[in-house]
Amino acid sequence: QKEVEQNSGPLSVPEGAIASLNCTYSDRVSQSFFWYRQYSGKSPELIMSIYSNGDKEDGRFTAQLNKASQYVSLLIRDSQPSDSATYLCAVNLKAAGNKLTFGGGTRVLVKP
Amino acid sequence: EAGVVQSPRYKIIEKKQPVAFWCNPISGHNTLYWYLQNLGQGPELLIRYENEEAVDDSQLPKDRFSAERLKGVDSTLKIQPAELGDSAVYLCASSTNGQGQETQYFGPGTRLLVL
Repeated sequence: QKEVEQNSGPLSVPEGAIASLNCTYSDRVSQSFFWYRQYSGKSPELIMSIYSNGDKEDGRFTAQLNKASQYVSLLIRDSQPSDSATYLCAVNLKAAGNKLTFGGGTRVLVKP
Repeated sequence: EAGVVQSPRYKIIEKKQPVAFWCNPISGHNTLYWYLQNLGQGPELLIRYENEEAVDDSQLPKDRFSAERLKGVDSTLKIQPAELGDSAVYLCASSTNGQGQETQYFGPGTRLLVL
């Protein structure tokens, strides 16, 4: 089992719809979780961080964390073509000495 | 505020040749990371520095890879000799500290192609 797992996609959503991305992780004691967006040929940029169970909203983005089930999700509301990118889930793995471990990323395509 | 700076942006070399990458982190950031990213995959940590000390280099292939951060600011990553499988993007990132909750900021990366 990979330490951080994501569906590679592509996840195709129509413009204006909600894109839902999921991520599961193996380290039960992990405390810090991040979502990065990476456009093709560019470097990752942070869009959300979450540390407590529940929802965290920032503009059109909502991160959801469930530590008991060991998953973290990202919702993108009112998806825009500019949201087309790869979304990387990253987990700070306490068991690995606080190493930030990335999933393989989910590619999102927003169609006009 | 300037972001993480990396150079070169692109490098094409023949196998068995040496290559070096340079990174200048965000001013004031004590922690510096080097990541390797293959196409279609997430970044994988190669080495993490706290100031000038390498605190996690467990994933660095030490037979051919080396890194240094002599004054606790700039860092270089070297490969000697390069192999075909080293073709990838090498990302440098920095953060205020390495405690786990802080944001890591990435540089633009160096795209390496080994022929």
